[in-house]
Amino acid sequence: EAEVAQSPRYKITEKSQAVAFWCDPISGHATLYWYRQILGQGPELLVQFQDESVVDDSQLPKDRFSAERLKGVDSTLKIQPAELGDSAMYLCASSSGTGTGANVLTFGAGSRLTVL
Amino acid sequence: QKEVEQNSGPLSVPEGAIASLNCTYSDRVSQSFFWYRQYSGKSPELIMSIYSNGDKEDGRFTAQLNKASQYVSLLIRDSQPSDSATYLCAVPPGYSSASKIIFGSGTRLSIRP
Repeated sequence: EAEVAQSPRYKITEKSQAVAFWCDPISGHATLYWYRQILGQGPELLVQFQDESVVDDSQLPKDRFSAERLKGVDSTLKIQPAELGDSAMYLCASSSGTGTGANVLTFGAGSRLTVL
Repeated sequence: QKEVEQNSGPLSVPEGAIASLNCTYSDRVSQSFFWYRQYSGKSPELIMSIYSNGDKEDGRFTAQLNKASQYVSLLIRDSQPSDSATYLCAVPPGYSSASKIIFGSGTRLSIRP
């Protein structure tokens, strides 16, 4: 069964350090999403890509967060510098982006970030 | 008003009973609606989608949609301990096909033996 790959699964870092997360979506999925989920809350969209283009990054804290999907396949989300409030699960998801599957998301296992 | 609202729970239901989870949304032109299940420490997984008013059944799960009242619900019949999880309602805006999908805060469901 096709999966969304994410790494690392767990990351512990000190505040002010740089952190990077990687995501490889299901092959052929044009749309890629990065969500942040704080414990006890629903996922919050940080950035959405359609192929290599950013569709929505209105909730991305651009002073410290950046995201790229250079070749329209895998993607990297970076935080620099990390703050205590960034502790959360970072979820990557992908969808076909077209037809009936346009809004059906498949999530990766997530990357759990703890900032000390 | 939040775009997608859910009662956070916890909702406690005895094993074998029907669990009823509700979700309201603000975008009147939304066309598709999704329920995801999330076990503790895991990522969400899709369990139901619904696009038309009325009921859609899949095994023990039934999704119900009422666009006029802007709510969507999920019924779980014959609840099992394995159904204990957080259930997330997700609603894309209605203005494009692949668009910003908003999640509710989730309802935590606990099935007691």
